Amino acid sequence: ETGVTQTPRHLVMGMTNKKSLKCEQHLGHNAMYWYKQSAKKPLELMFVYNFKEQTENNSVPSRFSPECPNSSHLFLHLHTLQPEDSALYLCASSPNGGATDTQYFGPGTRLTVL
Amino acid sequence: QQQVKQSPQSLIVQKGGISIINCAYENTAFDYFPWYQQFPGKGPALLIAIRPDVSEKKEGRFTISFNKSAKQFSLHIMDSQPGDSATYFCAASSTDSWGKLQFGAGTQVVVTP
Repeated sequence: ETGVTQTPRHLVMGMTNKKSLKCEQHLGHNAMYWYKQSAKKPLELMFVYNFKEQTENNSVPSRFSPECPNSSHLFLHLHTLQPEDSALYLCASSPNGGATDTQYFGPGTRLTVL
Repeated sequence: QQQVKQSPQSLIVQKGGISIINCAYENTAFDYFPWYQQFPGKGPALLIAIRPDVSEKKEGRFTISFNKSAKQFSLHIMDSQPGDSATYFCAASSTDSWGKLQFGAGTQVVVTP
């Protein structure tokens, strides 16, 4: 596998479920990101990890919980979500988290909350 | 509030025509302006980027024009092809923001044969 992979690609969950999204990058990068993409809205940065340390939490509700066990893997743990959380969740990585670093995105997980 | 405003929301252009997408920003600290291209079922991918020390950057059929005084920048797609049909996002960041890109809302471009 090359680039940034995300699993699952599609997820349907009830409001009381607990699920996790997984992201893996094979690029040797040190920074990883979670974004939320909703139709006709800008990509919303949720979390940033640099060298496994969380450096950004963009006022994300606590029902979203990130985890970065190493610089190649990033998880987003989900619990008691709301229907308005339905969206495409994108993971990205960049070499060192710098302002001009190119961010490489995975294909996303399409999440539907019933 | 939305820090980067993008227009139009969508556009349809004939093959061979020019697609123009505009973005405006307010934060004068922004000093890096990339454009990302997203095909259905894929994540966004960097297309072209510009720094404010130049007014134009061209890569193949894609050109960014930058107007620092007006705080605006635009993407021109020359000789548009059906394969260019995608959603385009402008973005901006500042040196001290450590990779925190502010994205526009996106423009869906459809190139008809």
